[in-house]
Amino acid sequence: VQLVESGGGVVQPGGSLRLSCVASGFTFSTYGMYWVRQAPGKGLEWVTFIQYDETNIKYADSVRGRFTISRDNSKNTLFLQMNSLRAEDTAVYYCVKDLITGTPGYYMDVWGKGTTVTVSS
Amino acid sequence: EIVLTQSPATLSLSPGERATLSCRASQSVSSYLAWYQQKPGQAPRLLIYDASNRAIGIPARFSGSGSGTDFTLTINSLEPEDFAVYYCQQRGNWPRTFGQGTTVEIK
Repeated sequence: VQLVESGGGVVQPGGSLRLSCVASGFTFSTYGMYWVRQAPGKGLEWVTFIQYDETNIKYADSVRGRFTISRDNSKNTLFLQMNSLRAEDTAVYYCVKDLITGTPGYYMDVWGKGTTVTVSS
Repeated sequence: EIVLTQSPATLSLSPGERATLSCRASQSVSSYLAWYQQKPGQAPRLLIYDASNRAIGIPARFSGSGSGTDFTLTINSLEPEDFAVYYCQQRGNWPRTFGQGTTVEIK
Protein backbone atom coordinates (compact mmCIF):
# COMPACT_ATOMS: atom_id res chain seq x y z
CA VAL A 1 0.00 0.00 0.00
CA GLN A 2 1.52 3.30 -1.06
CA LEU A 3 0.44 6.91 -1.39
CA VAL A 4 2.60 9.39 -3.27
CA GLU A 5 1.80 13.08 -3.13
CA SER A 6 2.97 15.73 -5.56
CA GLY A 7 2.21 19.28 -6.56
CA GLY A 8 3.53 21.19 -3.59
CA GLY A 9 5.67 24.28 -3.97
CA VAL A 10 6.02 27.95 -3.23
CA VAL A 11 3.10 30.20 -4.11
CA GLN A 12 2.22 33.81 -3.40
CA PRO A 13 -0.68 34.72 -1.13
CA GLY A 14 -3.89 34.57 -3.11
CA GLY A 15 -2.47 32.01 -5.50
CA SER A 16 -3.52 28.46 -6.29
CA LEU A 17 -2.02 25.00 -6.24
CA ARG A 18 -3.32 21.57 -7.11
CA LEU A 19 -2.03 18.61 -5.11
CA SER A 20 -2.23 15.05 -6.41
CA CYS A 21 -1.89 11.73 -4.65
CA VAL A 22 -1.40 8.50 -6.57
CA ALA A 23 -2.45 5.36 -4.70
CA SER A 24 -1.26 1.82 -5.23
CA GLY A 25 -1.45 -1.56 -3.54
CA PHE A 26 -5.12 -1.42 -2.61
CA THR A 27 -8.53 -0.97 -4.25
CA PHE A 28 -8.55 2.82 -4.23
CA SER A 29 -12.15 3.07 -5.43
CA THR A 30 -13.51 1.45 -2.27
CA TYR A 31 -11.81 3.62 0.38
CA GLY A 32 -12.46 7.07 1.70
CA MET A 33 -9.49 9.41 1.58
CA TYR A 34 -8.29 12.39 3.59
CA TRP A 35 -5.94 15.31 3.36
CA VAL A 36 -4.25 16.20 6.63
CA ARG A 37 -1.73 19.01 7.06
CA GLN A 38 0.98 19.94 9.48
CA ALA A 39 2.33 23.46 9.74
CA PRO A 40 6.06 23.77 10.51
CA GLY A 41 6.72 22.70 14.09
CA LYS A 42 3.02 22.27 14.79
CA GLY A 43 0.52 19.46 15.26
CA LEU A 44 -1.77 17.68 12.85
CA GLU A 45 -4.83 19.33 11.32
CA TRP A 46 -7.50 17.42 9.39
CA VAL A 47 -8.31 19.35 6.18
CA THR A 48 -10.85 17.39 4.16
CA PHE A 49 -12.40 13.95 3.52
CA ILE A 50 -13.99 12.35 0.48
CA GLN A 51 -15.96 9.12 0.61
CA TYR A 52 -15.06 6.35 -1.84
CA ASP A 53 -18.02 7.21 -4.10
CA GLU A 54 -17.82 11.01 -3.57
CA THR A 55 -21.25 11.02 -1.91
CA ASN A 56 -19.87 12.43 1.32
CA ILE A 57 -17.36 15.28 1.35
CA LYS A 58 -16.29 17.25 4.42
CA TYR A 59 -14.06 20.29 4.93
CA ALA A 60 -12.47 21.99 7.88
CA ASP A 61 -13.87 25.47 8.46
CA SER A 62 -10.41 26.91 7.82
CA VAL A 63 -10.45 25.79 4.17
CA ARG A 64 -14.14 25.56 3.25
CA GLY A 65 -14.88 27.61 0.16
CA ARG A 66 -11.20 27.78 -0.84
CA PHE A 67 -10.16 24.12 -1.13
CA THR A 68 -11.82 21.38 -3.16
CA ILE A 69 -11.17 17.67 -2.79
CA SER A 70 -11.85 15.29 -5.65
CA ARG A 71 -10.83 11.88 -6.91
CA ASP A 72 -10.47 9.93 -10.12
CA ASN A 73 -11.07 6.30 -9.26
CA SER A 74 -10.14 5.20 -12.77
CA LYS A 75 -6.65 6.62 -12.21
CA ASN A 76 -6.29 5.82 -8.48
CA THR A 77 -5.68 9.49 -7.84
CA LEU A 78 -6.81 11.94 -5.17
CA PHE A 79 -6.68 15.70 -5.70
CA LEU A 80 -6.74 18.84 -3.60
CA GLN A 81 -7.40 22.10 -5.43
CA MET A 82 -6.26 24.97 -3.22
CA ASN A 83 -7.31 28.51 -4.12
CA SER A 84 -6.96 31.87 -2.38
CA LEU A 85 -3.98 30.56 -0.46
CA ARG A 86 -2.91 32.27 2.74
CA ALA A 87 0.29 32.26 4.74
CA GLU A 88 -1.42 30.09 7.34
CA ASP A 89 -1.91 27.35 4.72
CA THR A 90 1.84 26.77 4.75
CA ALA A 91 2.30 23.14 5.77
CA VAL A 92 3.17 19.62 4.79
CA TYR A 93 0.07 18.10 3.22
CA TYR A 94 -0.46 14.39 3.72
CA CYS A 95 -2.69 12.15 1.64
CA VAL A 96 -4.24 9.51 3.90
CA LYS A 97 -6.26 6.36 3.34
CA ASP A 98 -9.21 5.41 5.52
CA LEU A 99 -8.85 2.31 7.66
CA ILE A 100 -11.95 0.48 6.52
CA THR A 101 -13.49 0.19 3.09
CA GLY A 102 -16.86 1.76 2.38
CA THR A 103 -17.21 3.83 5.56
CA PRO A 104 -18.05 7.53 5.86
CA GLY A 105 -14.79 8.41 7.58
CA TYR A 106 -13.27 5.98 10.03
CA TYR A 107 -9.61 6.37 10.95
CA MET A 108 -6.47 7.44 9.14
CA ASP A 109 -4.64 4.28 8.25
CA VAL A 110 -1.92 4.70 5.62
CA TRP A 111 -0.19 8.05 5.16
CA GLY A 112 1.88 9.34 2.27
CA LYS A 113 5.21 11.05 2.89
CA GLY A 114 3.64 14.44 2.29
CA THR A 115 4.19 17.37 -0.03
CA THR A 116 5.23 20.81 1.19
CA VAL A 117 3.21 23.91 0.42
CA THR A 118 4.73 27.30 1.21
CA VAL A 119 2.65 30.44 0.83
CA SER A 120 4.90 33.46 0.84
CA SER A 121 5.52 36.64 -1.08
CA GLU B 1 -16.00 21.16 17.38
CA ILE B 2 -14.67 18.56 19.81
CA VAL B 3 -11.46 19.72 21.47
CA LEU B 4 -8.96 17.06 22.50
CA THR B 5 -6.52 17.98 25.27
CA GLN B 6 -3.46 15.81 25.73
CA SER B 7 -1.33 15.63 28.83
CA PRO B 8 1.39 15.94 29.69
CA ALA B 9 2.92 17.99 26.88
CA THR B 10 6.23 16.24 27.41
CA LEU B 11 7.07 12.99 29.14
CA SER B 12 10.72 12.32 30.03
CA LEU B 13 11.37 8.63 30.60
CA SER B 14 14.12 6.04 30.29
CA PRO B 15 14.05 2.95 28.07
CA GLY B 16 12.28 0.14 29.87
CA GLU B 17 9.94 2.44 31.78
CA ARG B 18 6.18 2.65 31.27
CA ALA B 19 4.64 5.66 29.54
CA THR B 20 1.10 6.78 30.32
CA LEU B 21 -0.39 9.42 28.01
CA SER B 22 -3.76 11.06 28.50
CA CYS B 23 -6.31 12.49 26.06
CA ARG B 24 -9.44 14.26 27.25
CA ALA B 25 -12.33 15.20 24.97
CA SER B 26 -14.50 18.29 25.46
CA GLN B 27 -17.58 16.10 24.97
CA SER B 28 -18.19 12.39 24.71
CA VAL B 29 -16.78 10.62 21.68
CA SER B 30 -17.93 7.19 22.88
CA SER B 31 -15.02 4.88 21.99
CA TYR B 32 -14.27 6.65 18.72
CA LEU B 33 -10.69 7.61 19.45
CA ALA B 34 -7.38 6.78 17.81
CA TRP B 35 -3.73 7.24 18.70
CA TYR B 36 -0.94 8.00 16.23
CA GLN B 37 2.83 8.04 16.57
CA GLN B 38 5.01 10.47 14.65
CA LYS B 39 8.78 10.44 14.51
CA PRO B 40 10.82 13.42 13.26
CA GLY B 41 10.67 13.80 9.49
CA GLN B 42 8.14 11.00 9.12
CA ALA B 43 4.44 10.73 8.53
CA PRO B 44 2.24 9.68 11.43
CA ARG B 45 1.43 6.02 11.98
CA LEU B 46 -1.85 4.63 13.31
CA LEU B 47 -1.31 2.76 16.57
CA ILE B 48 -4.71 2.31 18.21
CA TYR B 49 -8.27 2.78 16.94
CA ASP B 50 -11.65 2.67 18.63
CA ALA B 51 -9.85 3.41 21.90
CA SER B 52 -8.34 -0.03 22.45
CA ASN B 53 -7.77 -1.87 19.16
CA ARG B 54 -4.19 -2.16 17.98
CA ALA B 55 -3.63 -1.52 14.30
CA ILE B 56 -1.95 -4.16 12.20
CA GLY B 57 1.71 -4.63 13.04
CA ILE B 58 1.65 -2.61 16.25
CA PRO B 59 3.54 -4.29 19.12
CA ALA B 60 1.63 -5.53 22.15
CA ARG B 61 3.46 -3.10 24.44
CA PHE B 62 1.11 -0.41 23.08
CA SER B 63 -2.36 -0.43 24.62
CA GLY B 64 -5.27 1.97 24.75
CA SER B 65 -8.16 2.36 27.11
CA GLY B 66 -11.01 4.67 27.95
CA SER B 67 -14.39 5.80 26.70
CA GLY B 68 -16.56 8.89 26.75
CA THR B 69 -14.20 11.77 27.44
CA ASP B 70 -11.11 10.21 29.04
CA PHE B 71 -8.60 8.05 27.23
CA THR B 72 -5.16 6.63 27.93
CA LEU B 73 -2.35 5.31 25.79
CA THR B 74 0.06 3.09 27.68
CA ILE B 75 3.42 2.00 26.37
CA ASN B 76 4.85 -0.78 28.50
CA SER B 77 8.63 -1.02 28.69
CA LEU B 78 9.69 1.76 26.33
CA GLU B 79 11.94 0.75 23.46
CA PRO B 80 14.40 3.25 21.91
CA GLU B 81 12.19 3.52 18.81
CA ASP B 82 9.17 4.59 20.90
CA PHE B 83 10.53 8.04 21.65
CA ALA B 84 8.34 10.20 19.45
CA VAL B 85 5.29 12.47 19.43
CA TYR B 86 1.88 10.90 20.04
CA TYR B 87 -1.44 12.35 18.92
CA CYS B 88 -4.99 11.36 19.73
CA GLN B 89 -7.78 11.90 17.19
CA GLN B 90 -11.56 11.54 17.42
CA ARG B 91 -14.06 10.36 14.83
CA GLY B 92 -17.13 10.99 16.96
CA ASN B 93 -18.04 14.11 15.02
CA TRP B 94 -17.02 16.26 12.10
CA PRO B 95 -14.69 18.05 11.98
CA ARG B 96 -12.22 15.33 12.84
CA THR B 97 -9.86 16.77 15.41
CA PHE B 98 -6.48 15.92 16.87
CA GLY B 99 -4.96 16.62 20.24
CA GLN B 100 -1.95 18.90 20.36
CA GLY B 101 0.42 15.99 20.95
CA THR B 102 2.56 14.53 23.72
CA THR B 103 6.29 14.22 23.22
CA VAL B 104 7.88 11.18 24.80
CA GLU B 105 11.56 12.00 25.18
CA ILE B 106 14.54 10.15 26.53
CA LYS B 107 15.39 11.13 30.07
